[in-house]
Amino acid sequence: GENVEQHPSTLSVQEGDSAVIKCTYSDSASNYFPWYKQELGKRPQLIIDIRSNVGEKKDQRIAVTLNKTAKHFSLHITETQPEDSAVYFCAANNTGNQFYFGTGTSLTVIP
Amino acid sequence: DAGVIQSPRHEVTEMGQEVTLRCKPISGHNSLFWYRQTMMRGLELLIYFNNNVPIDDSGMPEDRFSAKMPNASFSTLKIQPSEPRDSAVYFCASSFTGRGAKSPLHFGNGTRLTVT
Repeated sequence: GENVEQHPSTLSVQEGDSAVIKCTYSDSASNYFPWYKQELGKRPQLIIDIRSNVGEKKDQRIAVTLNKTAKHFSLHITETQPEDSAVYFCAANNTGNQFYFGTGTSLTVIP
Repeated sequence: DAGVIQSPRHEVTEMGQEVTLRCKPISGHNSLFWYRQTMMRGLELLIYFNNNVPIDDSGMPEDRFSAKMPNASFSTLKIQPSEPRDSAVYFCASSFTGRGAKSPLHFGNGTRLTVT
């Protein structure tokens, strides 16, 4: 099956700085990669996703990049704000429809 | 769209009691997933259904756990008998997969289970 690894497990940045979270996957058949943000006590919510036929996708301050050859994908948050503080999960989805999640990154944005 | 609806939001029960968690997926979604989240183990997939049929239940911890999906709009996760180590947040999620189409996974608000 698929194995998704996520780094770092914790990340602290100053407000206004950028944050980068990296994930690797093992199954070359995986073709869809969503990112979720989970605030304390709440459900994971989709913030951005990318499909395997695209190398990069942006949505305002958030961007995701995908390197299919190396089997890794990354989340980039620019101009971080305190409300970006949360746990972020990456996931990989293969043709079998299962979603495999990373172990999460706890991001703290220091005002 | 009301999203994925789970009930109850909180459940506190004593060890040995039966617990039933309920989920209504997003209308039109054909895949339903049950996850368990704890600090120690993160998000664990327990079981998932496609078109109401269980596809992979390898994540179900043991025979005390069972899940059903009698129709496209309802699923239950049952724990009998419950144990303190079952205390966690249980999320239900749904998605759509069709010919050439795939939707993201949408999570419900979760059920926080405490077994004393």
